[in-house]
Amino acid sequence: EIVLTQSPGTLSLSPGDRATLSCRASQSVNKFYLTWYQQKPGQSPRLLIYGASTRAAGIPDRFSGSGSGTDFTLTISRLEPEDFAVYFCQQSDTFGPGTKVDVK
Amino acid sequence: QLHLQESGPGVVKPSETLSLTCTVSGFFIDSSTYYWGWIRQPPGKGLEWIGFLYHTGTTYYNPSLKTRVTMSVDTSMNQFFLNVSSVTASDTAVYYCARRSPQSEGSWFDPWGQGTLVTVSS
Repeated sequence: EIVLTQSPGTLSLSPGDRATLSCRASQSVNKFYLTWYQQKPGQSPRLLIYGASTRAAGIPDRFSGSGSGTDFTLTISRLEPEDFAVYFCQQSDTFGPGTKVDVK
Repeated sequence: QLHLQESGPGVVKPSETLSLTCTVSGFFIDSSTYYWGWIRQPPGKGLEWIGFLYHTGTTYYNPSLKTRVTMSVDTSMNQFFLNVSSVTASDTAVYYCARRSPQSEGSWFDPWGQGTLVTVSS
């Protein structure tokens, strides 16, 4: 069974900052099945990135994904106020515990 | 526009069966190669995949829940269903239904329903 670890647990940043979120798998995975979601309080998760690096429809280009093997990264180039949220990675049918991006 | 809506009891007694319905609008469940899934989220915690099914009724369950979970579909009503038996307090969660990608397109859920909170309590 693959286990996903996300770090850091919480990332405290300011609007305009660059955010770098990590998702690490316990064994090498096919990046085709690596997905990122954003979830805001009281809302359902929203698909951001699939296939490790492909932005979903309507997702701003400040969001980007990269990685392969066991290490994957979600980068938000310049944080907008609406980007403060929890981010989850998913590999096939396993979810990571999430990284909360909050306001410093 | 594709929309999913969960419905069902908000409170279930311990040892009983939790039953939820997901009603799909704006898209026919049996019109394509997409799957239809359930995910849950205990209050304040992370996401847990429960399983998903194809419109033919083929199912894929989380091994950790497999003995208690049953999913089914009614294409005539454009709905799919979740049953979780012998519930305990640890089954208290927001339950989401979502469309799941075909394997040939990766592994993602989109869109998601708004979610429904199910509390297990006597």
